[in-house]
Amino acid sequence: GQQLNQSPQSMFIQEGEDVSMNCTSSSIFNTWLWYKQDPGEGPVLLIALYKAGELTSNGRLTAQFGITRKDSFLNISASIPSDVGIYFCAGQRNTGKLIFGQGTTLQVKP
Amino acid sequence: EAQVTQNPRYLITVTGKKLTVTCSQNMNHEYMSWYRQDPGLGLRQIYYSMNVEVTDKGDVPEGYKVSRKEKRNFPLILESPSPNQTSLYFCATTHRNRGNSPLHFGNGTRLTVT
Repeated sequence: GQQLNQSPQSMFIQEGEDVSMNCTSSSIFNTWLWYKQDPGEGPVLLIALYKAGELTSNGRLTAQFGITRKDSFLNISASIPSDVGIYFCAGQRNTGKLIFGQGTTLQVKP
Repeated sequence: EAQVTQNPRYLITVTGKKLTVTCSQNMNHEYMSWYRQDPGLGLRQIYYSMNVEVTDKGDVPEGYKVSRKEKRNFPLILESPSPNQTSLYFCATTHRNRGNSPLHFGNGTRLTVT
C-alpha cells in the first residue's frame, strides 16, 4: 500500500536542541496529522493541519501543511527528555483513511 | 471521557487457534479501522468500516476478518492465526466525512503467535 516518506528515521539529540522532521508524498491530502507514540501506548494526536499553507503551533511544537498539499513538517523547539518517542506523520483523506509515514524515533540526551 | 477501548492488551496464542480482539468506542464515530504496527514498516491498515454493516479491506487484509454489527464495536478476528501475525494492533476511530476529525487510537493489543 501507499506510504509517506518520513525523515529522518531516527534522531539522537541533546536536551535543549531543536528538532525538525518532515513527510512527503506523491499524492495530495486534505489533512495532515502528526502523532506521537510513547512505548506501550497508542499514537496520540499532536497537531492537525486542515489547509494548505497552514502553520500551527502547540506549545513547543510547530507544524506546517505544505502549499502543494503533498508534504508537511514538524518542529520541536528546546527539546526535553519527555519528548522521547516515535513521531508519525499521516495524510488523511475525507473518508477518514490515513496513510502513515514510517515514523521518526527521537531520543533526547539529558 | 472519549475513549477507544481494545481488549485484551496482551495475548499469546498458538498457531491455528481462533482469536478475537475487541474494539469499542463511545464517541458515536462512524469510521472504525484496524492497523498493525511492525518495526520498520510503520502502521498499516488491515480493515476499515465506514458505518454499520459496511466493511472494506485495507492494505494488509489477508488472514483477518472483521464485523460491524453495531456502531460502537469493531472486532478483529483471526480465524487461524500464524506466526507472521505476531504484531502490535491498534483500533482507531473518527467521524466520517468531517474534514476536521482526526483519527483516535486505542492503546493497542500486543499479539504473539507461536
